[in-house]
Amino acid sequence: DTAVSQTPKYLVTQMGNDKSIKCEQNLGHDTMYWYKQDSKKFLKIMFSYNNKELIINETVPNRFSPKSPDKAHLNLHINSLELGDSAVYFCASSQRESEQFFGPGTRLTVL
Amino acid sequence: ILNVEQSPQSLHVQEGDSTNFTCSFPSSNFYALHWYRWETAKSPEALFVMTLNGDEKKKGRISATLNTKEGYSYLYIKGSQPEDSATYLCAFSSGGYQKVTFGTGTKLQVIP
Repeated sequence: DTAVSQTPKYLVTQMGNDKSIKCEQNLGHDTMYWYKQDSKKFLKIMFSYNNKELIINETVPNRFSPKSPDKAHLNLHINSLELGDSAVYFCASSQRESEQFFGPGTRLTVL
Repeated sequence: ILNVEQSPQSLHVQEGDSTNFTCSFPSSNFYALHWYRWETAKSPEALFVMTLNGDEKKKGRISATLNTKEGYSYLYIKGSQPEDSATYLCAFSSGGYQKVTFGTGTKLQVIP
């Protein structure tokens, strides 16, 4: 059983399109996160969300938005995709401050 | 933007050698320090979570210490094995567990 899953694994799309990446966790965790792995392979937090608070990294463009239909899901919506959005995006979850469990990543390529 | 630095950036060690690396973080408003192991083509996997000054954690041949007053954590690997080859990341939380900053990582290569 996959603890944290992401779909799709690969996403290739044209500049200007709107796309979503889904994330689901079956660990019963109360907090979920989205990270972007940049061109230098660094992990940068984009959002963290529990049922009380959404924390947004101020460097994230407002074209990116998280949507949580329920506690087990935190999807990432991206509007008007740009070339610079090409990256690997990781979802993660945790039970409060305990260790985070990461999904397998989604490689987004914007052409 | 919080500055979380790891050193060295990379290192090569012989199988059987012991090694250690450092994570430096701001000493104010500390909440937690995590260590993760990240193998190529996989996802980061948690090693330790430390929240108290002086914490020491151990898992097999890997251990970690924490000094929140001076803002550093050490990760030690005893008797390195080729399967220890990976990038080791630290992650610092400040002012709450949701505000996470990852370090740049230390890439370890263990030579058989």
